[in-house]
Amino acid sequence: DAKTTQPPSMDCAEGRAANLPCNHSTISGNEYVYWYRQIHSQGPQYIIHGLKNNETNEMASLIITEDRKSSTLILPHATLRDTAVYYCIVRVNFGNEKLTFGTGTRLTIIP
Amino acid sequence: DTGVSQDPRHKITKRGQNVTFRCDPISEHNRLYWYRQTLGQGPEFLTYFQNEAQLEKSRLLSDRFSAERPKGSFSTLEIQRTEQGDSAMYLCASSSRRLQRGYTDTQYFGPGTRLTVL
Repeated sequence: DAKTTQPPSMDCAEGRAANLPCNHSTISGNEYVYWYRQIHSQGPQYIIHGLKNNETNEMASLIITEDRKSSTLILPHATLRDTAVYYCIVRVNFGNEKLTFGTGTRLTIIP
Repeated sequence: DTGVSQDPRHKITKRGQNVTFRCDPISEHNRLYWYRQTLGQGPEFLTYFQNEAQLEKSRLLSDRFSAERPKGSFSTLEIQRTEQGDSAMYLCASSSRRLQRGYTDTQYFGPGTRLTVL
């Protein structure tokens, strides 16, 4: 699986949009971009995934650049409960089943 | 609650003892994964089952570790002769391949079992 690069930490004011970047310059054509988050002492929580089109669900939006070398996770109205470590992972969906986590971005929502 | 469950949530043991953890996946999921997470690091893959077959094992899974999924439902992870370096959070995840904007295999995680070896 391709490697990802994320900033180690970010702050965001409560109520504002949190934009978390991820670089995956070596991504292959069949690799998806997945985002998970982990709130302290809990298991990782799936947020969203995409291949090349932008995606939105009830939790977040995922914007993938046209060349697919980077993406941004957007939490539209951050709350204190969004404070967590956010992991960006690229992964094929055929033949390579495991998730390879990096160290992620520690997002702190400030009241 | 139809999510992944793990038992126990916390385990404290003395070095040299054996421990066993249980994972119950989401009911219709045929794939089950074990990961380990140490402090300050992201989870690391240990092993993966499709139904009852164990299809992949990480180099992290030493001979003291064994995992089973006897009927393709729940799974157990046993650590024999525990060492202090085994102290970690052990995470279980499950998935089922389905067609959703291409074939996807989204893994859903349980709350984890935190092991402390004294």
